[in-house]
Amino acid sequence: GESVGLHLPTLSVQEGDNSIINCAYSNSASDYFIWYKQESGKGPQFIIDIRSNMDKRQGQRVTVLLNKTVKHLSLQIAATQPGDSAVYFCAESIPRYNNDMRFGAGTRLTVKP
Amino acid sequence: DGGITQSPKYLFRKEGQNVTLSCEQNLNHDAMYWYRQDPGQGLRLIYYSQIVNDFQKGDIAEGYSVSREKKESFPLTVTSAQKNPTAFYLCASSSHGYTFGSGTRLTVV
Repeated sequence: GESVGLHLPTLSVQEGDNSIINCAYSNSASDYFIWYKQESGKGPQFIIDIRSNMDKRQGQRVTVLLNKTVKHLSLQIAATQPGDSAVYFCAESIPRYNNDMRFGAGTRLTVKP
Repeated sequence: DGGITQSPKYLFRKEGQNVTLSCEQNLNHDAMYWYRQDPGQGLRLIYYSQIVNDFQKGDIAEGYSVSREKKESFPLTVTSAQKNPTAFYLCASSSHGYTFGSGTRLTVV
């Protein structure tokens, strides 16, 4: 399944399916991006990052894709598991703001068994 | 293990009372941040500090105060001027991307 962050803040998928979570970032000068996972009542945890000189980066079961032309970032989770249920945030680092990060509103992923 | 410790995990504030949230890190990071998170919303920046003895207001600083007397510590005080303080508060530190604490949930009673 797919979601566009701010317009569809929830995504529900079947266990074993692939998930795609999308994020539209705001600043063309952003040069570093991170995806975070936040479980209920906990702080966000780093999942994967990507620099603006890359289009794709892969981790364990996760892939981040960056399209600078349309300022779009996506997180792909392969073979989604119940433990993947959480809120996922994208964050962009803007150099002229001392590399402070700006966060999207997040997408809630629910995995159905 | 290196990390960020926030305390307490749950905090209750009476009307008109100031409360202080603790944030300690042993990652040797220069930059530290406080965010507020409301249900269904993203993280909003309250205050940040790039270096000891210096801090800057974020997007929603009104009703909050901070200090940065030590590199490891960045406490946040929620003052009585903050009219709607009930929220989940997250502290982070940064050298290359952010590391977050586990959060403090503040409730007004």
